[in-house]
Amino acid sequence: EPEVTQTPSHQVTQMGQEVILRCVPISNHLYFYWYRQILGQKVEFLVSFYNNEISEKSEIFDDQFSVERPDGSNFTLKIRSTKLEDSAMYFCASTGGTSENTEAFFGQGTRLTVV
Amino acid sequence: DQQVKQNSPSLSVQEGRISILNCDYTNSMFDYFLWYKKYPAEGPTFLISISSIKDKNEDGRFTVFLNKSAKHLSLHIVPSQPGDSAVYFCAAPGGYNKLIFGAGTRLAVHP
Repeated sequence: EPEVTQTPSHQVTQMGQEVILRCVPISNHLYFYWYRQILGQKVEFLVSFYNNEISEKSEIFDDQFSVERPDGSNFTLKIRSTKLEDSAMYFCASTGGTSENTEAFFGQGTRLTVV
Repeated sequence: DQQVKQNSPSLSVQEGRISILNCDYTNSMFDYFLWYKKYPAEGPTFLISISSIKDKNEDGRFTVFLNKSAKHLSLHIVPSQPGDSAVYFCAAPGGYNKLIFGAGTRLAVHP
């Protein structure tokens, strides 16, 4: 069964450093997303990406964040200068359809720890 | 943003009995709802969905009920199994591109 894959599974970084979280969405999917879950809290939407551009972003997704689809398969989330409060699980997701009523498939997540 | 609410953070059920997980929403424009299941150290996995044109959708042991007038939906799992122990999230599409999740309910099914 096709799946969304994320690397690394766990990333530890020092405050102020840049990190890049990587995702390979399902190959024929069109919409790509990043969500995050701070420990003990809800899963929060960060950004959606379609047709090689951001289609929507949340208030969390400030200038420190950026996304890129550098080739036909990878989808990356970059945090330019990490803060302690960026520590969370980051989930990549993709959907295939153009209908709003299409379930998103999630990767297994990257646990980011900022120290 | 509390458009999707799961007010019970946890639920404990005996194996074989019914688990009922509840979800409330405030946005009457929502017309589609999804339930996701999440194990520790894994991403959410899609479980079941329901469109607002229905009041019930069933898939094996899982049934979702929707009460539009009350803005309430529930997920029933029967019979509950230990492998069902996970966090369950209710979600709704918040516009064209994103899912709005509830806070989740941690279900523990014990023998």
